Amino acid sequence: DAGVIQSPRHEVTEMGQEVTLRCKPISGHNSLFWYRQTMMRGLELLIYFNNNVPIDDSGMPEDRFSAKMPNASFSTLKIQPSEPRDSAVYFCASSFPRGRGTQYFGPGTRLTVL
Amino acid sequence: GESVGLHLPTLSVQEGDNSIINCAYSNSASDYFIWYKQESGKGPQFIIDIRSNMDKRQGQRVTVLLNKTVKHLSLQIAATQPGDSAVYFCAESPGNQFYFGTGTSLTVIP
Repeated sequence: DAGVIQSPRHEVTEMGQEVTLRCKPISGHNSLFWYRQTMMRGLELLIYFNNNVPIDDSGMPEDRFSAKMPNASFSTLKIQPSEPRDSAVYFCASSFPRGRGTQYFGPGTRLTVL
Repeated sequence: GESVGLHLPTLSVQEGDNSIINCAYSNSASDYFIWYKQESGKGPQFIIDIRSNMDKRQGQRVTVLLNKTVKHLSLQIAATQPGDSAVYFCAESPGNQFYFGTGTSLTVIP
């Protein structure tokens, strides 16, 4: 298995631009998580899905952030418009069974907003 | 102004020695715990887990101890190797979510 796949690995953009991060979970996993990691705040859960349905998005910082999971093998995290304080490493993780299984993390996307 | 960031606890050990990394968790309802290892530039990697009906679990070169009375978790690494150098996170789960600690940076001195 290729593990959790994230793209792009690095993204540099200017303030105000839209950013879309992509994730392909491990096949057969039915839970998907988006995290953000910064030196200031450590690893924070943004949102998680069970069976493609968003369960808890209380960690999403504000309306500029949105996440979708149109099918079991793909999810996106979108930031529009982006701001410099959004600069961080964004991780996607997947697990099985629902919610409580071990989470397997992707390699992350390092986002820099200038 | 001066920026304030997380100050990770650090642990330096000599290669071949045993390492003990500690973690205090906050939610007495947490009944599942995981230790993760994160190497520079990579995502967290599962090491070992433990459920609250146990107080000890062993893996390959690693042991996790759980003390629910004082809400404390520890990770013991036997015969620490240079490849063990990384940041180690504990995570607690009171339900369907996981909450991560700030991590401990382990450096193995050859």
